[in-house]
Amino acid sequence: EAGVAQSPRYKIIEKRQSVAFWCNPISGHATLYWYQQILGQGPKLLIQFQNNGVVDDSQLPKDRFSAERLKGVDSTLKIQPAKLEDSAVYLCASSLRRVGTEAFFGQGTRLTVV
Amino acid sequence: LAKTTQPISMDSYEGQEVNITCSHNNIATNDYITWYQQFPSQGPRFIIQGYKTKVTNEVASLFIPADRKSSTLSLPRVSLSDTAVYYCLVGPTGTASKLTFGTGTRLQVTL
Repeated sequence: EAGVAQSPRYKIIEKRQSVAFWCNPISGHATLYWYQQILGQGPKLLIQFQNNGVVDDSQLPKDRFSAERLKGVDSTLKIQPAKLEDSAVYLCASSLRRVGTEAFFGQGTRLTVV
Repeated sequence: LAKTTQPISMDSYEGQEVNITCSHNNIATNDYITWYQQFPSQGPRFIIQGYKTKVTNEVASLFIPADRKSSTLSLPRVSLSDTAVYYCLVGPTGTASKLTFGTGTRLQVTL
């Protein structure tokens, strides 16, 4: 079974530039998550989708971050404009259902903002 | 969501059994306890999940006392490859919903 695919693996941008990350979840998984993991900390949930609808985006900095999940499959997370403090690993995860099942994580995209 | 407390770090020698305890005093009746493992440069990976008593799989065991205010992840005979960060999560009905990670326990295994 193919895992959660993310791209790119690494990205370096200057502050105030924009960047986008892509995630392809495991086939058939209805729930998709985006997490931000700053070095030395645990992952922090940014947004959770159920199919193509947003379930929770309470911790998403909506002035600069946006995310969408087209047709309930692939998802993109965008940052515009980026700040130095956005430097982190951005993890995508998916699960079969919203509750009661484990989440599978991708390898993440390491973003460095200089 | 119940807050969890676990040691920041632990050290072990290869071949030993490692027990990592997590405190969750405010666990709710419908909360499950789930543990994830994270290697450097990888996303977290599900290890084990339980509600009460003891759960065992091919990787680990999870011990949960009757009051459920704590839990212990037990890794038998660790190897160097078990060096990772281990996260304890507590949440309702299996916790695929709104997984909330703390800072985790960094386990270092040496020869």
